[in-house]
Amino acid sequence: KAGVTQTPRYLIKTRGQQVTLSCSPISGHRSVSWYQQTPGQGLQFLFEYFSETQRNKGNFPGRFSGRQFSNSRSEMNVSTLELGDSALYLCASSFGVGTGHGYGYTFGSGTRLTVV
Amino acid sequence: DAKTTQPPSMDCAEGRAANLPCNHSTISGNEYVYWYRQIHSQGPQYIIHGLKNNETNEMASLIITEDRKSSTLILPHATLRDTAVYYCIVRVAGTGSARQLTFGSGTQLTVLP
Repeated sequence: KAGVTQTPRYLIKTRGQQVTLSCSPISGHRSVSWYQQTPGQGLQFLFEYFSETQRNKGNFPGRFSGRQFSNSRSEMNVSTLELGDSALYLCASSFGVGTGHGYGYTFGSGTRLTVV
Repeated sequence: DAKTTQPPSMDCAEGRAANLPCNHSTISGNEYVYWYRQIHSQGPQYIIHGLKNNETNEMASLIITEDRKSSTLILPHATLRDTAVYYCIVRVAGTGSARQLTFGSGTQLTVLP
C-alpha cells in the first residue's frame, strides 16, 4: 500500500513569506501528526489532527497552523517565516487519535524547508 | 511520559549484534517502551515495542529488565543499512488518548564494514 506522501520534498523561502506543506496519509488512516526536526532541538511535536479537528498541540507559536480535510489529507502553514523555521517537517499518519499504541505511526520522508 | 536516557553514539561491526541500551528509571506501570529509528533524511520507522516481557520480531529483539527501569534493543546481525539514529520512547497506551510521540536525542548507531 502507498505510504505517507509529503509534498514538496524541498522548499526554499525568504524570510517573511509564508509556506504551506501537504501530507497525504496512508489510506484508511484518519489521524495526521506533524513534527519539526532541527539539528538543535531534534524532533518536536507540532500538532495532531483527527476528523478535521485539531486534537493535540505542541509548544509552537501561532505562526504554525494546520488543517485537515474530509479525505484526511492535511496541510500545515507557517506564516511570517523566520530563519529558525528552517527544518525538516515530518508528518505521521495513524488510524486513530493517539492510536492507542505508539507503534501505529507511519512517517513520511518529510519536507526540507530552507528559509533564507 | 517518562524520560529516557540513551548514549549519543555507538559503533558496531557488520554482522555482529548491536545492543542499544535505554534507561527509563521513572517508567510507570502503564507505560510501554517503543523503539523507532531514523535513517538519514527519512522519517522515523517503528521497530518494536514492549511492556514487561521480552519481545522479538523480524527486525529486532527487545529486552526489558525485571524492574522495567531499563531496556536493550538488539539487532542480531547488523548490516550497513542499520546505520541510523535509534530512539527509545516511553509512552502510555490507550485508545482515544491524544498523546504524541516524544523523541529524545537518540543513539547514532554506525555499522562499520
